[in-house]
Amino acid sequence: SYELTQPPSVSVSPGQTARITCSGDALPKQYAYWYQQKPGQAPVLVIYKDSERPSGIPERFSGSSSGTTVTLTISGVQAEDEADYYCQSADSSGTTWVFGGGTKLTVL
Amino acid sequence: QMQLVQSGPEVKKPGTSVKVSCKASGFTFTSSAVQWVRQARGQRLEWIGWIVVGSGNTNYAQKFQERVTITRDMSTSTAYMELSSLRSEDTAVYYCAAARVAVKWAFDIWGQGTMVTVSS
Repeated sequence: SYELTQPPSVSVSPGQTARITCSGDALPKQYAYWYQQKPGQAPVLVIYKDSERPSGIPERFSGSSSGTTVTLTISGVQAEDEADYYCQSADSSGTTWVFGGGTKLTVL
Repeated sequence: QMQLVQSGPEVKKPGTSVKVSCKASGFTFTSSAVQWVRQARGQRLEWIGWIVVGSGNTNYAQKFQERVTITRDMSTSTAYMELSSLRSEDTAVYYCAAARVAVKWAFDIWGQGTMVTVSS
């Protein structure tokens, strides 16, 4: 079955840049979506179609894609950005969707 | 405002079924798709399946193919997820999320989650 691979954890100091990667064989063909989830809350969409930002999401959140890897970048990280981040995408057929394992962002 | 409101917590016995509802408001339900996702305590998000509301077309994760049914009632703007043959491993928070044309079919509206506990 199709899998998306994320690093389990990323740590940065406030004001620094955090980069969270997501790798999958079908990513050159399929868009990726990124969600932020804080404890006890539902996920929040922060990036869609690799690099587009929904209204209301701060500009410090951005996304990019290169080959089989997509990257969520948070510039000027703030304490409130501490959360779990998940990527989501589809397999090459576009019929089965999966989530990555999630990355815990810690703001030191 | 745009929102999805899910039904309340459920406690079920192994082998039985559960049906969770997800009522939409504030956006055009008939022009959306709804996915269902679950999350066991401390675990990753897990995709269950989705329905294109207008056509009723569905797609399910292979893992749940034999046990899940996702439906919708356009007259009440409500989507449903029914999971049968429940086992203890199905204990999780179940979320619905809606994708809209306005955000290019991204799932930007999420329900509050429904806790389903399977226990004898």
